Amino acid sequence: DVKVTQSSRYLVKRTGEKVFLECVQDMDHENMFWYRQDPGLGLRLIYFSYDVKMKEKGDIPEGYSVSREKKERFSLILESASTNQTSMYLCASSWGQGAIPLSSPLHFGNGTRLTVT
Amino acid sequence: GENVEQHPSTLSVQEGDSAVIKCTYSDSASNYFPWYKQELGKRPQLIIDIRSNVGEKKDQRIAVTLNKTAKHFSLHITETQPEDSAVYFCAEDFNKFYFGSGTKLNVKP
Repeated sequence: DVKVTQSSRYLVKRTGEKVFLECVQDMDHENMFWYRQDPGLGLRLIYFSYDVKMKEKGDIPEGYSVSREKKERFSLILESASTNQTSMYLCASSWGQGAIPLSSPLHFGNGTRLTVT
Repeated sequence: GENVEQHPSTLSVQEGDSAVIKCTYSDSASNYFPWYKQELGKRPQLIIDIRSNVGEKKDQRIAVTLNKTAKHFSLHITETQPEDSAVYFCAEDFNKFYFGSGTKLNVKP
């Protein structure tokens, strides 16, 4: 069974701090994704990656960056945390075909609930 | 996401009744349509999916139908049970996954 592990379940940070959210998957998946989940807005894509050192912007990349130095690990970085980034963050991975990360199920981690005060 | 509209946002049914959740999408190039179930405090999990070359797919009490002409797809749950209570998300892929805003299903015993 695919396992996607997010390093923290709950995180509280102060405005202006640099925040790292880590995600590791154990199924050798090419594709990895970061979503944020807010009530009434569903899941919104922040960034995704279809290969090591590759990254693509999602719908709401502002205020975020990502790093994928190894295939199994995809990190989300909040350069300077703000209160409007308080949210649930979900990492996901899927099997892919290089630059065409389509048509295969997403496997999600348990999420990191981030509170920025 | 704005590419996918999901209705209703909340749905309350009596145990044993059927539940239907509908999604519409905008891009005719989309070819994969999964449905995810998210129980309270847990991760979203895939429950069923359909590809554009298929009109209907069924798995026990769950079925999904796809109408490519009208650009909509629906989740059907029959003989609902209290454990079906959760938030359900539809999604479609076009370059990247777009999710609907979710439907909170409440099955009353």
